Amino acid sequence: DSGVTQTPKHLITATGQRVTLRCSPRSGDLSVYWYQQSLDQGLQFLIQYYNGEERAKGNILERFSAQQFPDLHSELNLSSLELGDSALYFCASSVGTGIGQETQYFGPGTRLLVL
Amino acid sequence: AQSVTQLDSHVSVSEGTPVLLRCNYSSSYSPSLFWYVQHPNKGLQLLLKYTSAATLVKGINGFEAEFKKSETSFHLTKPSAHMSDAAEYFCVVTSSRGGSTLGRLYFGRGTQLTVWP
Repeated sequence: DSGVTQTPKHLITATGQRVTLRCSPRSGDLSVYWYQQSLDQGLQFLIQYYNGEERAKGNILERFSAQQFPDLHSELNLSSLELGDSALYFCASSVGTGIGQETQYFGPGTRLLVL
Repeated sequence: AQSVTQLDSHVSVSEGTPVLLRCNYSSSYSPSLFWYVQHPNKGLQLLLKYTSAATLVKGINGFEAEFKKSETSFHLTKPSAHMSDAAEYFCVVTSSRGGSTLGRLYFGRGTQLTVWP
């Protein structure tokens, strides 16, 4: 158990809908990262937050947004969902800003199925 | 730019035989390298990481990897495979520099390891 929690574990929804995925980092970790794992694209970095502020951005669609709250939990909002958004969404956390050798600890993931 | 190539999408071995999972990386700066494992329906677990202190890195569950700068490789090995090693393995690179992409991990496409009894 990494100490990173994600809810829900599974989510089934329809195209055009909006969902929110939640992540609680390990105690003491200030950075939260979101990754998407799909058969087509593999594991891709979406976005990083550090202590409430956006730190780095990857291949995140404009329909997706995220935020990190004062208690350091994070939410990933996915809107106008398309079939291709079906994937496993991972959250990870690390102690600091994630520079270099800092280890990222991964949650169990949320499996999203868009029908 | 950073990238990782895992040379085999599938590797099959018999229990008790050695495991070799190959990884080549590309990095504009001094890389940090990791191997993560993903068991079915589980999250990603860190196996080991290269911290530049030693080129031979020992990880959990008997795995180790050797950083070879001249070959830009970071292959993962284990002397004797166990049934519980069956999983997907990801080679990952990041960099200590990089501006707006600081801290992001770049994943390989993964190698599925099958262990036969």
